[in-house]
Amino acid sequence: DAGVIQSPRHEVTEMGQEVTLRCKPISGHDYLFWYRQTMMRGLELLIYFNNNVPIDDSGMPEDRFSAKMPNASFSTLKIQPSEPRDSAVYFCASRVWGKETQYFGPGTRLLVL
Amino acid sequence: GQSLEQPSEVTAVEGAIVQINCTYQTSGFYGLSWYQQHDGGAPTFLSYNALDGLEETGRFSSFLSRSDSYGYLLLQELQMKDSASYFCAVKSGSQGNLIFGKGTKLSVKP
Repeated sequence: DAGVIQSPRHEVTEMGQEVTLRCKPISGHDYLFWYRQTMMRGLELLIYFNNNVPIDDSGMPEDRFSAKMPNASFSTLKIQPSEPRDSAVYFCASRVWGKETQYFGPGTRLLVL
Repeated sequence: GQSLEQPSEVTAVEGAIVQINCTYQTSGFYGLSWYQQHDGGAPTFLSYNALDGLEETGRFSSFLSRSDSYGYLLLQELQMKDSASYFCAVKSGSQGNLIFGKGTKLSVKP
């Protein structure tokens, strides 16, 4: 079975540009989580969805960040406009109700110049 | 505020036993998870404790004391491949949202 799929794996962009990160959760999983990992702040939960509905976006740092989940097999995290301090690894993870394991995707390494 | 404390680095030799401690202070608590992350990789699930006591899974065990807001991960018969970062994470809501500690970098020496 395919795990969580994220694209792109690496992204280099210039400050001010729009960045869109994509995630395909494991089929049948009803929770999807977006995390950001940096050396300074560690692994932070940004937002999570249950059955495609955003439940808690209190971790989203600013209005420049937005996330959508139009269907059960696809989610996007968008940064507009991007800033150098957004440089980080962004992980998507999914989980099935009743189980504790979160399955992480390989991450997107974002560098904003 | 919400905080999880764990040592930043631990070094041990192959074949030894190492314990990584985690203390937490969070507004909600449903359980404590442990994740492993190799350099350049993604976090992978190791264990979850909802109740006090010890859970054993092969060479790895995890312990929780809810009254002490404390848990640990015990790694036995260390192997070189165990060199990685280990994160404790509190399940702070009923829907599984996690708060992660900063991680403990374990280096296993020959």
